[in-house]
Amino acid sequence: EVQLVESGGGLVQPGRSLRLSCAASGFTFSNYNMNWVRQAPGKGLEWVSYISSGSSNIYYADSVKGRFTISRDNAKNSLYLQMNSLRAADTAVYYCVRDGPSGPWPGLDYWGQGTLVTVSS
Amino acid sequence: SYELTQAPSVSVSPGQTASITCSGDKLRDKYACWYQQKAGQSPVLVIYQDRKRPSGIPERFSGSNSGNTATLTISGTQIMDEADYYCQGWDQGRVFGGGTKLTVL
Repeated sequence: EVQLVESGGGLVQPGRSLRLSCAASGFTFSNYNMNWVRQAPGKGLEWVSYISSGSSNIYYADSVKGRFTISRDNAKNSLYLQMNSLRAADTAVYYCVRDGPSGPWPGLDYWGQGTLVTVSS
Repeated sequence: SYELTQAPSVSVSPGQTASITCSGDKLRDKYACWYQQKAGQSPVLVIYQDRKRPSGIPERFSGSNSGNTATLTISGTQIMDEADYYCQGWDQGRVFGGGTKLTVL
C-alpha cells in the first residue's frame, strides 16, 4: 500500500524557517517524481514545487521561488521542503504528492494526509 | 498568471448527471486532470490525461477536453459524490482551478 506521511508542520513566526518531511513507503520511491501542494484554510489547492526522480529537474511556483527549497533522499525514501522567510500567506496544509506513472502530463495519484503550517506572530 | 476558471458550485439530484467545467486558454495544449476532495480529506485523483480513470474510480466518472474547456461528468450521481472538485492544467508547473462544490440533493 502506498503511503505518504508528512511531518514538521506547526506554528512559526513570520520571517522564520521550517522544514517539512515526507516519508514514503509501499512503492519504489526513487522511480517517481514528487510534488508539494498546499491548501490555505477554506481555500483551493495550490501547487508549490516539483522534483524529478533523480533530482535533476526542480520547479517552483512563483509565490515561493527563492524562499522554498525542495529536495529528496532516495536512500531514505524521503521528500523535503525547506521553507525560509515564511509569510502569513504561507499558512496552509502542505501535502506530499506523487506524480502518477503514466506520462506525459500525469495526474497526482497519491496524496499524504497533509501537515498544517501556521505562520503567525 | 495563468488561471483555470470553475463555477463555484453545482447542484444535482441523486441519479442525475452532473457536469463540472473548467475553462482556460492553454487547456487545448496539454492534458487536464480532475481531483475530488471530500470534507476533511485529502484530494483523490479521479481523471487524468483528459479522460482516463485511475483504478478504483467508478465508471460513472468521465472526462473530456475540447478547445478551451475541460469537463468532468458524473453519470448517475450518488450522495457519496458530494465533494469539491478541482481541475488541473499546466503552465510553468501545475495550475489548479478554484474548485467547484458539488451538492447532491
